[in-house]
Order: sequence, then C-alpha cells, then structure tokens
Amino acid sequence: DTAVSQTPKYLVTQMGNDKSIKCEQNLGHDTMYWYKQDSKKFLKIMFSYNNKELIINETVPNRFSPKSPDKAHLNLHINSLELGDSAVYFCASSPKPNTPYEQYFGPGTRLTVT
Amino acid sequence: AQKVTQAQTEISVVEKEDVTLDCVYETRDTTYYLFWYKQPPSGELVFLIRRNSFDEQNEISGRYSWNFQKSTSSFNFTITASQVVDSAVYFCALRLIVGAGSYQLTFGKGTKLSVIP
Repeated sequence: DTAVSQTPKYLVTQMGNDKSIKCEQNLGHDTMYWYKQDSKKFLKIMFSYNNKELIINETVPNRFSPKSPDKAHLNLHINSLELGDSAVYFCASSPKPNTPYEQYFGPGTRLTVT
Repeated sequence: AQKVTQAQTEISVVEKEDVTLDCVYETRDTTYYLFWYKQPPSGELVFLIRRNSFDEQNEISGRYSWNFQKSTSSFNFTITASQVVDSAVYFCALRLIVGAGSYQLTFGKGTKLSVIP
C-alpha cells in the first residue's frame, strides 16, 4: 500500500496553462507539505497544512494555490505556468509536528513547462 | 532562521572505500531534530535517520554510522565499505520541535555520492 501518493508522476505543459497536482496520504497524519526541488536538487518548503489549516506559506507566488479538502489530501494548483516552475514537486506528510517523527515523502511529480 | 550546510557538493569513491558526508547546521533553538535522507537516481526521498538535540549518542546501522556533535553543530554521516548501490544524493535536514519551524524541514543542498566499481 502506498503511504503518500502523487498524481501525475510526470507533467509536461506549455507556458500560461493551469495545472494541478494531487496528493493523498493513507497514514492518518495530521500534517501535509509541499516541497519544490529545483534543477540543482535544492529542496525547499512551499506550504505546510495542519488539520486542513495553512501553517506555512514560504514566499511562494500566489499563482500557486494549495487546497486541502480533508486531512488526507493536499492538492497543488498552479495558474499561468512559467518556465521557472519546472521542477520536481514533492508532497509529504507527518504526524503532529511536535512529535518525533520523520516526514514521509511521495514519489514526486516532475513538472516540465515548455 | 535555520540553515543547513553540506559543503561537499560531489564526492567520488571507489567501491569498498569508507566515505564521510559532512553536515553543519545553524539554529538559535535548543530543541530540534536532525535527519538524513537519501535520494537515489530513481528520485524518491528515502528516510535514513532522525536524531533529537537531546541525544548526542552516535548511531550505527549496518554500514551506516552517524556522528552528532552539538558542540560543533555537526551531524556527519559515514558509509563504511561503500557499494555501488550507495550512489545517490544525500540530504541533511533540520526541523525544530516547537513553533513555525516545526512545520518544515530545512534541507542542505545535498551531497552527490558516486561509488565507482
């Protein structure tokens, strides 16, 4: 059983389009995250949600809008895609942050904007 | 703000050599967790270890060992008798235990390890 799943795994689209990446976790975790990994492999937090509430919004353009319909899902919608949005996007989840648990990562979604 | 530095961008070793990956962190908080993750060529992020700031005991797991030294703010990772399957990018990361910093991992830039047969 997949713990954290993301769809799609690969996404190729043109500049200016709007696209969504879906994330689901079946671990019963309270907290979910989106990270962006750029072409140099640098991983940086974008958003954190706890019990569907936005906790962290780390200077991400407002073209990126996360949506958490329930605790098990955190989707990422991106409007007006730009070339610089090309990256690998990782979803992750964890139990409550003040507990000694690691974050469990999804397989990643490789977004290519042409 | 937190910061994690992995000064080694790329390391190449010959199979069966030992290799140490360095990690230095900065935080004003006294309570935090440190992590190592492995990212093989297939791209997924694999959790390797978590240490909390209260526990400076070194840890060994098979060919892997970790040396946590609070005095030098370092959390180094050693692979003994390296194998080709160890080839990957390795990330060191920090998470605070309380506050906004507990809701995110701060990653280093990663060290790409290539093990040559």
